Amino acid sequence: GQSLEQPSEVTAVEGAIVQINCTYQTSGFYGLSWYQQHDGGAPTFLSYNALDGLEETGRFSSFLSRSDSYGYLLLQELQMKDSASYFCAVFAVTGRRALTFGSGTRLQVQP
Amino acid sequence: DAGVTQSPTHLIKTRGQHVTLRCSPISGHKSVSWYQQVLGQGPQFIFQYYEKEERGRGNFPDRFSARQFPNYSSELNVNALLLGDSALYLCASSLGRLHGHRLAGAFYNEQFFGPGTRLTVL
Repeated sequence: GQSLEQPSEVTAVEGAIVQINCTYQTSGFYGLSWYQQHDGGAPTFLSYNALDGLEETGRFSSFLSRSDSYGYLLLQELQMKDSASYFCAVFAVTGRRALTFGSGTRLQVQP
Repeated sequence: DAGVTQSPTHLIKTRGQHVTLRCSPISGHKSVSWYQQVLGQGPQFIFQYYEKEERGRGNFPDRFSARQFPNYSSELNVNALLLGDSALYLCASSLGRLHGHRLAGAFYNEQFFGPGTRLTVL
């Protein structure tokens, strides 16, 4: 089967940098995605990594190490609107294709 | 352009009943995926359909089924409802299939989620 681990909660202040880690166990790994979900809202796509290294998109960056089965999402210059749940998701093909989400990290940004 | 739409918004059913949830993807998107999200948890993958064929299936019982129509809209059907089926059901559309490995010259297609259908089973 597949499993993902990420911290349940993270708290940071406005303007700071925060890193949300994700470790996974899976076979047939293709890539790691990150999604943001505000309370009562739908998940929105943030980033995708298929190869090792850092992908940067504005204030958000995502990193993947396939050999360590590890990735992280880096949020810079935190804003109050960044308070949300963040999910890592692994896409794997093991006879059938499936996208598995972690349980999510709730980020609280304080003034 | 309209985003992904889902109907109904809310639904209340009793145990043993059947439910059909509907999803219309973004115009031009050929892939639809279904997820179940229980409060406080991440979305759990149920199905992916691409070009009207099932391309992915999560670990859900056979009571769950889906189909995709020629216009790429989709239905999720759940039979013999259980209390544990109470959840937010999310539909997501993308241009093509979900992921592919870059070394194989493949691709990633961003998924766009709809607002979801809140199903309550009493």
